[in-house]
Amino acid sequence: DAKTTQPNSMESNEEEPVHLPCNHSTISGTDYIHWYRQLPSQGPEYVIHGLTSNVNNRMASLAIAEDRKSSTLILHRATLRDAAVYYCILRDSGQGGSEKLVFGKGTKLTVNP
Amino acid sequence: ETGVTQTPRHLVMGMTNKKSLKCEQHLGHNAMYWYKQSAKKPLELMFVYNFKEQTENNSVPSRFSPECPNSSHLFLHLHTLQPEDSALYLCASSLNIAGGYNEQFFGPGTRLTVL
Repeated sequence: DAKTTQPNSMESNEEEPVHLPCNHSTISGTDYIHWYRQLPSQGPEYVIHGLTSNVNNRMASLAIAEDRKSSTLILHRATLRDAAVYYCILRDSGQGGSEKLVFGKGTKLTVNP
Repeated sequence: ETGVTQTPRHLVMGMTNKKSLKCEQHLGHNAMYWYKQSAKKPLELMFVYNFKEQTENNSVPSRFSPECPNSSHLFLHLHTLQPEDSALYLCASSLNIAGGYNEQFFGPGTRLTVL
């Protein structure tokens, strides 16, 4: 799986938007961009994924650069419950690709009241 | 129950003990996974099962022995563990292993301490 680079930590204030960046300069054409998050003392949970176009769901938005070498997870209004480690992961959808998740260190998001 | 459940949630064992971790998913998925999360290290995949067949063993020591009797249940049998095996063991499931776009659903994990 191709590697991703994320900042180690970020801080935000409650009810403000948060933009979590991810660089994946070696992404291939068949790689999906996935985001998971892990709240304290819990297992990871799926947030969102995309291939080429920007994506929105009830949890977040995913903005993908035109060259796909970077992406940004957007939390529109951070709450204290959004404090977690956010992981950006690439997954190959091509022949031979698998559902294997390769986690990096992620970005630890702190939300201040 | 819904989602992915794991038992026990906490386990303390000696190095000579034998214990088992259990995972159950109620999502109708066909793929199940074991992950290990050690302190200060990224989550790492241990085993993958698809339709009860093991498809991946990520160079895991033989003191960890997985078992998948059906698509809904996954076990991790532990014997003669070392203190460095103390970690959070997470189970996950997904619809299947192909495609690269199916989300994985994780259980809450078993916090294992080896004395």
